[in-house]
Amino acid sequence: AQTVTQSQPEMSVQEAETVTLSCTYDTSENNYYLFWYKQPPSRQMILVIRQEAYKQQNATENRFSVNFQKAAKSFSLKISDSQLGDTAMYFCAFMTLLDAGGTSYGKLTFGQGTILTVHP
Amino acid sequence: ETGVTQTPRHLVMGMTNKKSLKCEQHLGHNAMYWYKQSAKKPLELMFVYSLEERVENNSVPSRFSPECPNSSHLFLHLHTLQPEDSALYLCASSQDWIAGGTDTQYFGPGTRLTVL
Repeated sequence: AQTVTQSQPEMSVQEAETVTLSCTYDTSENNYYLFWYKQPPSRQMILVIRQEAYKQQNATENRFSVNFQKAAKSFSLKISDSQLGDTAMYFCAFMTLLDAGGTSYGKLTFGQGTILTVHP
Repeated sequence: ETGVTQTPRHLVMGMTNKKSLKCEQHLGHNAMYWYKQSAKKPLELMFVYSLEERVENNSVPSRFSPECPNSSHLFLHLHTLQPEDSALYLCASSQDWIAGGTDTQYFGPGTRLTVL
């Protein structure tokens, strides 16, 4: 079974500064995917970034980037130039693909989440 | 409407009531999911439908009954719930890589359920 651990229940950062959220996972799988999702107080879960385990290059989406260390099973999220709208709960998630008879679907395992507050 | 929508957004029901949650995806995806999000617990996968067939049931009590009449709609029928079933119920959808997608899941806004 896969497990995902986010060791920081809460983090805070000043607007315009950089913050890093930690995530570690445990798996015996070799092919998998990793995600960061954010859930603002409005509660819509929004995809932030995706990383394929077979890719060595770290994923980047504008101000969001990851540090993927496969051997260490670590997947941290760096938010640069933090904005007030970044205030949210951030979830790290691990996904394996399962066969559904001609198609596939993803099985996501989520961490406990990190509440990030950006202060003006 | 775009993305994944869920109705109602809030629901209060008694333990003897029967109600249904509705999810609709406008993304052309072929898989849909129900998750339960309780306070202080990670999201729990409940059910998965792929091409309208249930492919995953994560030991969910029978008082929760899913239905997927077509690839765009997913329902969760509720009956004789318990107070501990109070939670945020999230729906998600994805498109598998065989059909040209990435298997990335996109979520709806959720239904906040309170069982009295």
